[in-house]
Amino acid sequence: SQTIHQWPATLVQPVGSPLSLECTVEGTSNPNLYWYRQAAGRGLQLLFYSVGIGQISSEVPQNLSASRPQDRQFILSSKKLLLSDSGFYLCAWGRGPVNYEQYFGPGTRLTVT
Amino acid sequence: DQQVKQNSPSLSVQEGRISILNCDYTNSMFDYFLWYKKYPAEGPTFLISISSIKDKNEDGRFTVFLNKSAKHLSLHIVPSQPGDSAVYFCAARGSSNDYKLSFGAGTTVTVRA
Repeated sequence: SQTIHQWPATLVQPVGSPLSLECTVEGTSNPNLYWYRQAAGRGLQLLFYSVGIGQISSEVPQNLSASRPQDRQFILSSKKLLLSDSGFYLCAWGRGPVNYEQYFGPGTRLTVT
Repeated sequence: DQQVKQNSPSLSVQEGRISILNCDYTNSMFDYFLWYKKYPAEGPTFLISISSIKDKNEDGRFTVFLNKSAKHLSLHIVPSQPGDSAVYFCAARGSSNDYKLSFGAGTTVTVRA
């Protein structure tokens, strides 16, 4: 069966510090990978998605970037965090376009102070 | 622009009764719809889906209804149980070339004993 991992689970970082969140998927190959953010009291905002190694599509211009160095690894980064980057970050995988479901990891709670 | 809307931010229902969650969409190109359930500090879990060629899909206590002409779908939970207390997200996907899901803002369901 497929498993998706995210770490760390929680993170408190000062403004201006760098960020690196990692996501890995097990049990499948060539998945589509996604980074979402859920701000407090709001829905899920798609930040980036990737259909293959090195292929990144950005949905929202912002202070973040994503990379996919390996087939089942997806990394979310920032060089300098802003207060507005605080939120709950979720990684997901899917098989699209044939299968539409996306499956989410446990999430990372980021607080920028 | 929010293409998937969940206009009720919260719903309170007594245990054993029916929970009805509503979702409206504006993009007529959406042809597949999903419901996700999310507990606090966890990633969303896939619940049930429906293709636009159907008007109803049932899985145990969960039934999703789709009214394409009204661009409206609903999720029925019968009977509601305390473990159903969570945030429910409606999501939609466009054509088969679209790897992305558009999510609503979510509805928080509280099941009262």
